[in-house]
Amino acid sequence: GQNIDQPTEMTATEGAIVQINCTYQTSGFNGLFWYQQHAGEAPTFLSYNVLDGLEEKGRFSSFLSRSKGYSYLLLKELQMKDSASYLCALRDSNYQLIWGAGTKLIIKP
Amino acid sequence: DTAVSQTPKYLVTQMGNDKSIKCEQNLGHDTMYWYKQDSKKFLKIMFSYNNKELIINETVPNRFSPKSPDKAHLNLHINSLELGDSAVYFCASSQEGSETGANVLTFGAGSRLTVL
Repeated sequence: GQNIDQPTEMTATEGAIVQINCTYQTSGFNGLFWYQQHAGEAPTFLSYNVLDGLEEKGRFSSFLSRSKGYSYLLLKELQMKDSASYLCALRDSNYQLIWGAGTKLIIKP
Repeated sequence: DTAVSQTPKYLVTQMGNDKSIKCEQNLGHDTMYWYKQDSKKFLKIMFSYNNKELIINETVPNRFSPKSPDKAHLNLHINSLELGDSAVYFCASSQEGSETGANVLTFGAGSRLTVL
């Protein structure tokens, strides 16, 4: 079967760095996505990893290790507007997206 | 200028009623989707549809029926609404065969359905 785990909630301080982890189990893998979802809004695309390593995009970076079934999203120089849920999603062998429940990130001043 | 638009944004109705949610995308994407996000925030695929094929998730009750008059529209009709249908329904679209192979989803703003 397929399974995605990520922490339910995390708290961090404005200006700091936070790492949101995502672990998964799957029989087939065709990429891992991170989406951001502000409360009451639609998810928006942040990053995509299909090969091992780090993908950097401004303040946000995403890392993937396929052998460990592990990814993380790294957010630097946190801003209040980064308060949101961060959804990890796995694309399986049928190219279907399997979504985690999301990590609610709370930023404190 | 909205890329994926869905209406209505809020829908409150009684059990047993029939309702529809409309979705339109102006991105020229080939594939459109309906997702359900429940109170636990899991996003679950209901349907995906491209020009050629409607893919139905087997776990979706047949009270839910997608209708696509053209590739820019994918509407969701729900018959005999039940309490458990209360959720936020998101429409999304994507373009297959992108350079990165990412097939990124663009979501609509969501339609919050409350069944009383």
